[in-house]
Amino acid sequence: DTGVSQDPRHKITKRGQNVTFRCDPISEHNRLYWYRQTLGQGPEFLTYFQNEAQLEKSRLLSDRFSAERPKGSFSTLEIQRTEQGDSAMYLCASSRSGQGDTDTQYFGPGTRLTVL
Amino acid sequence: DQQVKQNSPSLSVQEGRISILNCDYTNSMFDYFLWYKKYPAEGPTFLISISSIKDKNEDGRFTVFLNKSAKHLSLHIVPSQPGDSAVYFCAAKYNTDKLIFGTGTRLQVFP
Repeated sequence: DTGVSQDPRHKITKRGQNVTFRCDPISEHNRLYWYRQTLGQGPEFLTYFQNEAQLEKSRLLSDRFSAERPKGSFSTLEIQRTEQGDSAMYLCASSRSGQGDTDTQYFGPGTRLTVL
Repeated sequence: DQQVKQNSPSLSVQEGRISILNCDYTNSMFDYFLWYKKYPAEGPTFLISISSIKDKNEDGRFTVFLNKSAKHLSLHIVPSQPGDSAVYFCAAKYNTDKLIFGTGTRLQVFP
């Protein structure tokens, strides 16, 4: 069990640029989640996938944000035309569905985005 | 609309004593609750969970208590150790897998 991995760990970009983050879930997990965490707050849900299907999107996910999970394995989160308000820690988590209450989500280390 | 609230931003406890972290929620539909621990520059680490059909769950030094009538849960750590120093988040969910997190409590365990 190698855990959830995220790449890159840190990203500094200029306002208006596009950025893309990658998440590799735990290998047998079919669900993958994206959250965003800003200073002093808990993680906030953005979206989640079951296999390659995107099942739910938060209203926080504006049209500048897009997430994909093309083969039901890794996922990417792209932010277009970044704004300073996008600066945050972007967290990925995965879980295995069908385990009932024990569908525990396991988190990766996060990607810290700084928009200048 | 903060559905999950952790009203104590910080807590300081002596090593060996009990740490009690509290969490309140407003949505009576929540049916599963979790506690995560987070160190700086790392993602949250799952600690312990509890279903709404139970009122207590234990795992080693960690015990979670759920009071549904009060919409309150608490995490007890006994005995507290310096390595427990971290930010603790409670989270809740219902129907979907979306987790709703509180704002966290920073626990410091001193010698």
